[in-house]
Amino acid sequence: QQPVQSPQAVILREGEDAVINCSSSKALYSVHWYRQKHGEAPVFLMILLKGGEQKGHEKISASFNEKKQQSSLYLTASQLSYSGTYFCGTASQAGTALIFGKGTTLSVSS
Amino acid sequence: NAGVTQTPKFQVLKTGQSMTLQCAQDMNHEYMSWYRQDPGMGLRLIHYSVGAGITDQGEVPNGYNVSRSTTEDFPLRLLSAAPSQTSVYFCASSGGSRGYTFGSGTRLTVV
Repeated sequence: QQPVQSPQAVILREGEDAVINCSSSKALYSVHWYRQKHGEAPVFLMILLKGGEQKGHEKISASFNEKKQQSSLYLTASQLSYSGTYFCGTASQAGTALIFGKGTTLSVSS
Repeated sequence: NAGVTQTPKFQVLKTGQSMTLQCAQDMNHEYMSWYRQDPGMGLRLIHYSVGAGITDQGEVPNGYNVSRSTTEDFPLRLLSAAPSQTSVYFCASSGGSRGYTFGSGTRLTVV
């Protein structure tokens, strides 16, 4: 089953923060986050495994709440380069392929 | 390292024609997947493989076949093209508990 992402779209000014959520009705083994620029392939950002650890860099990080089957992507002090569509991909067990959400479009303006 | 290579980049087919989308990776990755991307639908899984000789169906497998005879190659076959198969197709590979690397995509139009 496809995970549900929210919101569908976010509009930001440079320097503002955003949170993108991803939730699943199934127990999850892992959650991946990807960013896709228009006309390009998705690019891997980070992976979170069972355990609820928050991962990432200073300005882009993510958390995984295993009990709620939810993950959130945090974008801090956004830059123009953050614009694009963000996808979460989920796997219910090791060795299975990712099922992606419909994506969240992020637009950052100056 | 070339990463994941998809060919062709663009293709126009007539309804009923068959064709094979090629995907090759040079990273010795076990896991490979095919996705199609349509506006507003995200990336939908067609077929995937967890190693040579092993394939399984994804969310939208009808009308497509795959095989995995080698670790490197994972071709996607359209058996009898239909206008509903007009889409952008992405191949992706992963080495395990790591992220997937995507190919640059094939833009397919069926008329």
